[in-house]
Amino acid sequence: SQQGEEDPQALSIQEGENATMNCSYKTSINNLQWYRQNSGRGLVHLILIRSNEREKHSGRLRVTLDTSKKSSSLLITASRAADTASYFCATITYGGATNKLIFGTGTLLAVQP
Amino acid sequence: ETGVTQTPRHLVMGMTNKKSLKCEQHLGHNAMYWYKQSAKKPLELMFVYNFKEQTENNSVPSRFSPECPNSSHLFLHLHTLQPEDSALYLCASSPWAQGVSGANVLTFGAGSRLTVL
Repeated sequence: SQQGEEDPQALSIQEGENATMNCSYKTSINNLQWYRQNSGRGLVHLILIRSNEREKHSGRLRVTLDTSKKSSSLLITASRAADTASYFCATITYGGATNKLIFGTGTLLAVQP
Repeated sequence: ETGVTQTPRHLVMGMTNKKSLKCEQHLGHNAMYWYKQSAKKPLELMFVYNFKEQTENNSVPSRFSPECPNSSHLFLHLHTLQPEDSALYLCASSPWAQGVSGANVLTFGAGSRLTVL
């Protein structure tokens, strides 16, 4: 069953603007990750936030997590044309022989130069 | 170069062919994964191997047959595929498949684009 759903599905901004993407999920999680995918390529891990964390930063990326609302957001500040890609959240739930790692449908970000 | 290499990058096959996708990782990871990515759909987990043992089969049709001879290599054998199996097949690895938070930070290969005619 689908766990993460990103919103919006697509986002177009100008270079230098900030981009915010949201992820909502349904069940309890242990941590949440964000990945980026350039067209036709594999996904690249960006950042991991644990369920007991509320905010995390990495360079121009800022991730928040609200477990009461079962949602997370990814903020990219001062966007660049090279940030054009699809962004996915992935929720992780521990248990069993394999932790459950479920990806959302992604947000397609286009940064216009 | 991510440390996870997939071959071939592109594959076109007929429904009666037999082919294989190969994945190799040089990261010292113990878990390997196959994902299917189709247009407009979430990434679908197919198989997980942890220390060479299959720990997850996400109800994948038997026309897809995985093989994991060691922790560094993963294959996906394909036979009698359908046109709807056309997709990007992504291999990934992680330190482990279970346990604490860093276990499932995935490193992906560039993918194998499969077209079934």
